[in-house]
Amino acid sequence: DTGVSQNPRHKITKRGQNVTFRCDPISEHNRLYWYRQTLGQGPEFLTYFQNEAQLEKSRLLSDRFSAERPKGSFSTLEIQRTEQGDSAMYLCASESGTSSLEQYFGPGTRLTVT
Amino acid sequence: DAKTTQPPSMDCAEGRAANLPCNHSTISGNEYVYWYRQIHSQGPQYIIHGLKNNETNEMASLIITEDRKSSTLILPHATLRDTAVYYCIVRPSRLGRAAGNKLTFGGGTRVLVKP
Repeated sequence: DTGVSQNPRHKITKRGQNVTFRCDPISEHNRLYWYRQTLGQGPEFLTYFQNEAQLEKSRLLSDRFSAERPKGSFSTLEIQRTEQGDSAMYLCASESGTSSLEQYFGPGTRLTVT
Repeated sequence: DAKTTQPPSMDCAEGRAANLPCNHSTISGNEYVYWYRQIHSQGPQYIIHGLKNNETNEMASLIITEDRKSSTLILPHATLRDTAVYYCIVRPSRLGRAAGNKLTFGGGTRVLVKP
């Protein structure tokens, strides 16, 4: 257990529905990252928060994706109008940013769009 | 960030040392070498990182060549639980700065530890 939790662990949804995932990072970490991983591939960066500010977004993050970290603690990732291509593992990672640069990953949320 | 090249797979006998190579010939002076691993159905796990000196912790050792163009991760006594995909990543250090330190994962090396 890395101290990073993600909910739900699994989500099955029908195409066109909206889904929201939550990440709770290590409490003293001010940096939070979202990644997406498809089968057989390494994780790909989606977006990054420093405290509550979203400072970087990947081109992978289409207009249907939105992420928030309202109080600089937990974060949510919402996908609107899901498509089958959104099926993947969504990983969250937290990083101190001040004392160390190791990223600690949560267990991920596996999304299946039918 | 510099790209890395790793063999796609390797087998290792349980109890023996596993030596995982990584090439990063375009690494810049301010970029560190990081190693993560991902056990099936889990999130990636940090193993070790280094700049130019060899590093050792409770999990592994990291040997970086003098020209920093390649490195080797050593698992001293592989166990069945070390079966995983191992990723070698190079990234700059932006400790304390607002710029993020996203990890750019390649394909990694799929390590199978056999009894």
